[in-house]
Amino acid sequence: SAVISQKPSRDICQRGTSLTIQCQVDSQVTMMFWYRQQPGQSLTLIATANQGSEATYESGFVIDKFPISRPNLTFSTLTVSNMSPEDSSIYLCSAGDSAYSKTYGYTFGSGTRLTVV
Amino acid sequence: GESVGLHLPTLSVQEGDNSIINCAYSNSASDYFIWYKQESGKGPQFIIDIRSNMDKRQGQRVTVLLNKTVKHLSLQIAATQPGDSAVYFCAETWLHNYGQNFVFGPGTRLSVLP
Repeated sequence: SAVISQKPSRDICQRGTSLTIQCQVDSQVTMMFWYRQQPGQSLTLIATANQGSEATYESGFVIDKFPISRPNLTFSTLTVSNMSPEDSSIYLCSAGDSAYSKTYGYTFGSGTRLTVV
Repeated sequence: GESVGLHLPTLSVQEGDNSIINCAYSNSASDYFIWYKQESGKGPQFIIDIRSNMDKRQGQRVTVLLNKTVKHLSLQIAATQPGDSAVYFCAETWLHNYGQNFVFGPGTRLSVLP
């Protein structure tokens, strides 16, 4: 399965600023996803990063707040824009191939712990 | 799945015993399911998956059972070891018009007692 490198691993940011999180996969993958996880809680899917086209956002998440890029099959970025303390969370990248063509699951990066002050 | 906040359900088992972690999923259209293990400070780690056309799948020391009638998924860990202590999440996924959706369960904390 794919190995994912995510950076930064953590950051402390001022409110009103933006942070871009990078996700690098060691092989070409069809699907890349971005999640948010509050400490001690479950994961919530933010969006699917589509290669060469606009990301697909889940309910409650919008492109202006969480712009996503996917320039190729191994790399994606998530930007958290105009941050407020409510954006403090762990952001995780996940990647894999279509569940309908391969039998291995989706792997995750180690996450970015964001604190907004 | 809904989160239960900081008060995750906890399962405590004796080292060497078998563990069973349960999960109820929400969408009858879900056709692929994954169990993840998450240790403190790390991303979720893939354990085992199962497609909706199967009832059971076995891995090394782990078995996943799927009951589509009642939308229930379970993870069985044989001979539980201290290294199995972690939070376990189930995830369901399905295709929709604009892509693929994943929904994670609230998680269960497994604590292995010496």
